[in-house]
Amino acid sequence: EVQLVESGGGLVKPGGSLRLTCAGSGFTFRSFSMNWVRQAPGKGLEWVSSITGSSSHISYADSVKGRFTISRDNAQNSLYLQMNSLRAEDTGTYYCARDPSGSRLTYWFDSWGQGIQVTVSS
Amino acid sequence: QSVLTQPPSVSGAPGQRVTVSCTGSSSNIGAGYDVHWYRQVPGTAPKLLIFASTNRPSGVPDRFSGSKSGTSASLAITGLQDEDEADYYCQSYDSSLSGSVFGGGTKLTVL
Repeated sequence: EVQLVESGGGLVKPGGSLRLTCAGSGFTFRSFSMNWVRQAPGKGLEWVSSITGSSSHISYADSVKGRFTISRDNAQNSLYLQMNSLRAEDTGTYYCARDPSGSRLTYWFDSWGQGIQVTVSS
Repeated sequence: QSVLTQPPSVSGAPGQRVTVSCTGSSSNIGAGYDVHWYRQVPGTAPKLLIFASTNRPSGVPDRFSGSKSGTSASLAITGLQDEDEADYYCQSYDSSLSGSVFGGGTKLTVL
């Protein structure tokens, strides 16, 4: 069974940093592209970033470009999101989601983690 | 303002059929990119419902179906059940934004 478990969320002040981790299990992690998707309180879903299995292709939403960095460690079956210069509008639940392709980004998500809360507030 | 437009809410009685529309543009659905649908019960993670516009993952009942035409797509749910109450999101790829885009979500209420 595919399992994705996010960790690392919490409360941070505006301008601060946070690093999210997603641990994958139940599948061959390195063979799948991975993504971060977020949801502001009471709002809809917003794609944040994607990375291929080999980390050869990476993309970001304009709203986070230059502030967030996605990466992965296939030996540890882990996906990361380094979030810098955080703003109030970055507040929300962050989901780790699997892309069914491994060698390219197909930008859809066949499995999701349970989500982790990130709150940016002074 | 979402790139893909969905009605904020739809409703239907048990046993009825409802549809959820998703309208895009020439840089996403109209460009031929697939549409995917997700179901989210509030407080829980989204779950894939339809992929590549018309396909159901294993375990999804055939009461759920998807279609796509031009710059729009639709999700149809037949034989409405109480447990179908949830938020439904459409999603595609947008070439102008070079990334994934979602609809604003549609809340389905079973009367």
